[in-house]
Amino acid sequence: DAGITQSPRHKVTETGTPVTLRCHQTENHRYMYWYRQDPGHGLRLIHYSYGVKDTDKGEVSDGYSVSRSKTEDFLLTLESATSSQTSVYFCASARQGASGEQFFGPGTRLTVL
Amino acid sequence: AQTVTQSQPEMSVQEAETVTLSCTYDTSESDYYLFWYKQPPSRQMILVIRQEAYKQQNATENRFSVNFQKAAKSFSLKISDSQLGDAAMYFCAYRRIIQGAQKLVFGQGTRLTINP
Repeated sequence: DAGITQSPRHKVTETGTPVTLRCHQTENHRYMYWYRQDPGHGLRLIHYSYGVKDTDKGEVSDGYSVSRSKTEDFLLTLESATSSQTSVYFCASARQGASGEQFFGPGTRLTVL
Repeated sequence: AQTVTQSQPEMSVQEAETVTLSCTYDTSESDYYLFWYKQPPSRQMILVIRQEAYKQQNATENRFSVNFQKAAKSFSLKISDSQLGDAAMYFCAYRRIIQGAQKLVFGQGTRLTINP
């Protein structure tokens, strides 16, 4: 399995506060992704990266920003958290030129009060 | 737009029996990949099986196999000899490539319960 870690694993915060979630991979994968998982919606793509400093929006990007300054790290930031952003967040990575199989981190449960 | 639909929110099966989970997708591409991922209570997403569209033969991984019907855009997962450890959410996913970047589109998931 690809080595992908996420931190923190759990976080409780208050509405209006900034939050940053970190994803770290040790596989030198080119692609990295942030998803949120909510009941009845499966996994929805927030943002993705196709290289260092190269990022793009997914289908549910409003209220989120990302940065990738190194191949191994991909940060997701909620500038001003809202209760609608309470969710489980997954990071994933994938090699270039492969089947598109993504390897997932363990997830972060975020609660915004 | 590519979409993936799992029409069964929940399924249950007796231990040792066989169960089939359904998935349909919409695409205009001719070559693509399809995946089934398993998410047990631990929340970890685990790849179960993959299928490349140009391959006629259905993929098989031990007790897991798929029925890939390209013309019907159907990609069902069959689990044989169900075990208690198979209890999980199962997600079907389609790989799409946009401007050179590969992304997965997921279905809504099917929760599988195994009855002892």
